[in-house]
Order: sequence, then C-alpha cells, then structure tokens
Amino acid sequence: GNSVTQMEGPVTLSEEAFLTINCTYTATGYPSLFWYVQYPGEGLQLLLKATKADDKGSNKGFEATYRKETTSFHLEKGSVQVSDSAVYFCALSSDRGSTLGRLYFGRGTQLTVWP
Amino acid sequence: GAGVSQSPSNKVTEKGKDVELRCDPISGHTALYWYRQRLGQGLEFLIYFQGNSAPDKSGLPSDRFSAERTGESVSTLTIQRTQQEDSAVYLCASSLAVGQPNEKLFFGSGTQLSVL
Repeated sequence: GNSVTQMEGPVTLSEEAFLTINCTYTATGYPSLFWYVQYPGEGLQLLLKATKADDKGSNKGFEATYRKETTSFHLEKGSVQVSDSAVYFCALSSDRGSTLGRLYFGRGTQLTVWP
Repeated sequence: GAGVSQSPSNKVTEKGKDVELRCDPISGHTALYWYRQRLGQGLEFLIYFQGNSAPDKSGLPSDRFSAERTGESVSTLTIQRTQQEDSAVYLCASSLAVGQPNEKLFFGSGTQLSVL
C-alpha cells in the first residue's frame, strides 16, 4: 500500500538555523511527492513537488530531492525565518489503479522559529 | 470564489446529533476531496468527487458518513448520530481534474468539529 512517514515534531529553531524535516514513503509504482504547508489560520497549500526520481523541488528557499533508492523526500532550508513557522506535511500521489491521483499524507511536523 | 471555502469554521455538537459540513470549491474545479485530521494524526482520505459522482467512497469510516455534490460545485459532508471519535478537523480540497498524479490540490481552512 501507499503511506508516508515523517519526522515527529514539534521542531523549534532559532532564526537562521538549518532545517531538515525527514520524510520517507512506501508506494507501489512511481508516485509524485509533495510538501504542503499550513500557516496558522490558513488552509494547506502546496510548497513544492517532485514527479520523478532525482527531481528536486524548490520554493521559498525550501528544497527536497526525490530519492528512490532511499524512498525519501526530506525537506531542507538553509536559513529559517520566523515567518516559516507552520505545520509541514509530506505527501505522495499514487500513479495507478483505483487510487490514481489520491494524496496520502504524513502526520505533519510543527515548526516554530524564534527570533 | 478566490479559494476553497468551508463552513462552518467551527461546530460544537452533542453526541448523537447529526451535522452537515459544507464546501465551496474553486469555480471550474471538477475534482473535490474530503479529508479528516484527528488531533496528532495525518490527513485521512474520506471521499472524492469527479463532477457530481463519487467513484471512491472507500475512505468513509462508517455508514454514518455520507457526502454529496451538486451542480459540480458545492459539496456537503453529513455525519449522522455523531460520536466523540468523530471530533476532528474536516478539510475539503479541489483541483482541476482527478487522476493526474501531480495535480495540485487547493485546500480550504477546514471545519473543526467537536462532539461533546
């Protein structure tokens, strides 16, 4: 089956620190991988995505590389800001069968950045 | 509208009562999804619509849960005889089409349901 496991939070960092949020997945076929972010009081929104192995998604200084050999899609940012405080969700999208297009989410990781 | 709208934003109800949650997707989006997020858990898929039909209802937790969509627009999720374990945030999302593995979903802010 399809599933996503991501690092448990909460994660608390000082501004300008380096961020890594780990995400691994289990899937049949060749899923697409996503990071969604939920800022306080807002709905989930797509942060970045990668659709095939070795692709790197990037947005707002965040990056994640689709690693098929380790079934991972870790989120990284070199220097976090207070405005990055949010909940981050790793997700995969099935590419086949009756679950085609459905998104499978991890539990979410709460990130708090202090000035 | 500009985004996916859900109402109410918060709902407190007594055990055994029925509740109805509403979702207004982005205009023109044919695909609509319902997810549930219990405290400390990931997003749990409930059901999706392609147009007004729901090809995959496998995620609905029990027969107390039902959903419908009309006019390829508004969707309602109904929970009958609510139980305390139904307490969660119910999220709605829409996208241009179903079945595209890398299709972008647009989420609403959710309805926080609390069953006392």
